[in-house]
Amino acid sequence: GDSVTQMEGPVTLSEEAFLTINCTYTATGYPSLFWYVQYPGEGLQLLLKATKADDKGSNKGFEATYRKETTSFHLEKGSVQVSDSAVYFCALRMNRDDKIIFGKGTRLHILP
Amino acid sequence: GAVVSQHPSRVICKSGTSVKIECRSLDFQATTMFWYRQFPKKSLMLMATSNEGSKATYEQGVEKDKFLINHASLTLSTLTVTSAHPEDSSFYICSARGGLAGSRETQYFGPGTRLLVL
Repeated sequence: GDSVTQMEGPVTLSEEAFLTINCTYTATGYPSLFWYVQYPGEGLQLLLKATKADDKGSNKGFEATYRKETTSFHLEKGSVQVSDSAVYFCALRMNRDDKIIFGKGTRLHILP
Repeated sequence: GAVVSQHPSRVICKSGTSVKIECRSLDFQATTMFWYRQFPKKSLMLMATSNEGSKATYEQGVEKDKFLINHASLTLSTLTVTSAHPEDSSFYICSARGGLAGSRETQYFGPGTRLLVL
């Protein structure tokens, strides 16, 4: 079935470091891909999305490119801040229904 | 963005009792609400999808008599865990969609409810 695999956490980085969180997917067809972020004590928020191959989603300095050839949607940020500390979820949604399939989440700690 | 609230945020109950969790969309009308369950170090698992005024659609393996979902209005859905047991202890998250100009992908998530059954 459709699934999402993302790197295990926690990931701990120093402020201003480069961030990559890997995400790969398995799907029959062409899903839309998402990154959600969950800050402490809050609900999941959509961070960025891409709906077709080669699309790049971006928001708040984060970027992810929909790579059909490698079935990947890796999240990157050039210079992280302490305020980026959160749990990040990679997810997909097939166009045939409303169901969103999530990865297990990656906890990110940014040290000042 | 849109706001979805859940109540309570945390609940502890004795085995055999029933627990009701509320999910409210505060500033939009949610035509569809989703209930998820999250185990430690696991992804969110969709339990059911509910549309206002109709019966919920449950995912395979989710007991509909165990997890009662009511979506009686466009701003409120409830999940009742009936005769709760320790294995029902988990983090329950709702999301809501609809009523805004956003796309189908736009689900707004609540902060979650942590249930501990003793």
